[in-house]
Amino acid sequence: DGGITQSPKYLFRKEGQNVTLSCEQNLNHDAMYWYRQDPGQGLRLIYYSQIVNDFQKGDIAEGYSVSREKKESFPLTVTSAQKNPTAFYLCASSPNIGMDRELFFGEGSRLTVL
Amino acid sequence: AQSVSQHNHHVILSEAASLELGCNYSYGGTVNLFWYVQYPGQHLQLLLKYFSGDPLVKGIKGFEAEFIKSKFSFNLREPSVQWSDTAEYFCAANTGGFKTIFGAGTRLFVKA
Repeated sequence: DGGITQSPKYLFRKEGQNVTLSCEQNLNHDAMYWYRQDPGQGLRLIYYSQIVNDFQKGDIAEGYSVSREKKESFPLTVTSAQKNPTAFYLCASSPNIGMDRELFFGEGSRLTVL
Repeated sequence: AQSVSQHNHHVILSEAASLELGCNYSYGGTVNLFWYVQYPGQHLQLLLKYFSGDPLVKGIKGFEAEFIKSKFSFNLREPSVQWSDTAEYFCAANTGGFKTIFGAGTRLFVKA
């Protein structure tokens, strides 16, 4: 089945450690995104990538980093500089067709910092 | 700043009741509007979207939304909710670029 696969689903981290969340898609979409979901705040954009080897900061990029070396993959690293990393992280992709930015989401990764 | 506002954070209804979830956006130009739904334990998925043309759009499971440009609104409606509609609903807006702005979400609980 075509879709977006995120791993791991649950992750625990000690303070001061970096952690990388994986996101893979087989939808052949050009654009990929990382959102953070917190209760009562909806989804906030961390980073997005329109095309391979290019990515842009979203609204809350501080403390995060990404790479886009392959079309299918868009990993997110949560660094020790992120002050409040405990959250639910969602990866998404969209086709690059005109103005249509319908997002297709993965199942998410829940990160807990102990 | 561009924003999307959802009027209700929590809604509790009995089965067969009608539902209307409010959504307002702050963009002044051309905008594409979406409603996404997150059922318990499932991934976020598209419910319906507005691009252009008929301002009344229909989505899955009988949901519909009406785009009213003069009111900057895109309210979601369902004439008769079911227990299986229990979920969190997100309104979102995009102006053609790669930044989609989401509302805070509305948690709907339908009593059987």
